[in-house]
Amino acid sequence: DTGVSQNPRHKITKRGQNVTFRCDPISEHNRLYWYRQTLGQGPEFLTYFQNEAQLEKSRLLSDRFSAERPKGSFSTLEIQRTEQGDSAMYLCASSFRRGGLNEQYFGPGTRLTVT
Amino acid sequence: AQSVTQLDSHVSVSEGTPVLLRCNYSSSYSPSLFWYVQHPNKGLQLLLKYTSAATLVKGINGFEAEFKKSETSFHLTKPSAHMSDAAEYFCVVSEVDSNYQLIWGAGTKLIIKP
Repeated sequence: DTGVSQNPRHKITKRGQNVTFRCDPISEHNRLYWYRQTLGQGPEFLTYFQNEAQLEKSRLLSDRFSAERPKGSFSTLEIQRTEQGDSAMYLCASSFRRGGLNEQYFGPGTRLTVT
Repeated sequence: AQSVTQLDSHVSVSEGTPVLLRCNYSSSYSPSLFWYVQHPNKGLQLLLKYTSAATLVKGINGFEAEFKKSETSFHLTKPSAHMSDAAEYFCVVSEVDSNYQLIWGAGTKLIIKP
């Protein structure tokens, strides 16, 4: 059983640089989510995909952030011109919604440090 | 609109004693409710879920939670705490009018004293 995987696990970058993270969901899951989590807080929703369609984006997702899910499989989250405030754990989750249940399974996260 | 309130930011118990982590929710419809656990520097793991079947839900590692609609509560309990239970616990609600988005509580940090 391969759960949700994320790469890289850690990323240190200088302010102003672009970074890209990858998420591979559980293979039969049609929904994929991105969250951001800062120390001592719960996850904050960023965006989600159903298959390849990006259905919702949070107001937290500024125009420096872009996410894609080509072919409805893996997803990438890119942050352009990183700022120190972008330092956080970026979490990916996937689910296969049945009826009213939206049980999400999370990857280990990518910890971003912007210096 | 739905919301989740975890009443304690920190809970400290001695090893071998019962654990109670409190969660109250606000929901317009019949919600799905979850508890997730996050160990230090680890990802989020689903502990248990309520989906309008039995009101007492059993999860992994000896945890269980009871859905009480009259009290709008979904408290997490464990009869006997273990050192490995030390982690952050999140109560989460999901319902149809939010397109099944997860609404997260702020988390409760469980501290286990030897």
